[in-house]
Amino acid sequence: EDQVTQSPEALRLQEGESSSLNCSYTVSGLRGLFWYRQDPGKGPEFLFTLYSAGEEKEKERLKATLTKKESFLHITAPKPEDSATYLCAVRGTGRRALTFGSGTRLQVQP
Amino acid sequence: KAGVTQTPRYLIKTRGQQVTLSCSPISGHRSVSWYQQTPGQGLQFLFEYFSETQRNKGNFPGRFSGRQFSNSRSEMNVSTLELGDSALYLCASSFLIEETQYFGPGTRLLVL
Repeated sequence: EDQVTQSPEALRLQEGESSSLNCSYTVSGLRGLFWYRQDPGKGPEFLFTLYSAGEEKEKERLKATLTKKESFLHITAPKPEDSATYLCAVRGTGRRALTFGSGTRLQVQP
Repeated sequence: KAGVTQTPRYLIKTRGQQVTLSCSPISGHRSVSWYQQTPGQGLQFLFEYFSETQRNKGNFPGRFSGRQFSNSRSEMNVSTLELGDSALYLCASSFLIEETQYFGPGTRLLVL
């Protein structure tokens, strides 16, 4: 059974204080690891897709990396508008549907 | 390009009633998936449709059903509503199965 664990559950940062969010996963044959951002009351917004260990992708202040057991979402010099819940999901060869983690609630204070 | 749209955005029902939610995917996308999101269980997969056929199903009771039309629009139905069905129901579309999914704003269902 595919499993995704995200840590920490919640993170409070000061504006400009860089940090990383962790997504540990267990999957039979990774077919993709996905990062989404979700604002309260809205649907998840797609950020990145990673397919193989060693892959990295960047977008503005965000950078996602992937190893064989986990993924990190690095946030460099965050701004208050980066405050949101960040969700990680995996798709494996077995189940094929996305399995989501419970998310990390990020709050960036000015 | 317009995103995924879902209607209605908010819905209040009573126990025992049934409800139908609608989803229009991004133009050109042929795969539609449905998810239930609750504070306790997070995002859970309901089912996935491609070319009007259900391709994958999550672990939900038979009260939850769906369908997809020839224009890729999809509907999901929940019959005999229970209090525990109160949730945000999210639809996501992708060009093909197993590609990146893009989510709609969701339908918030409250069952009283």
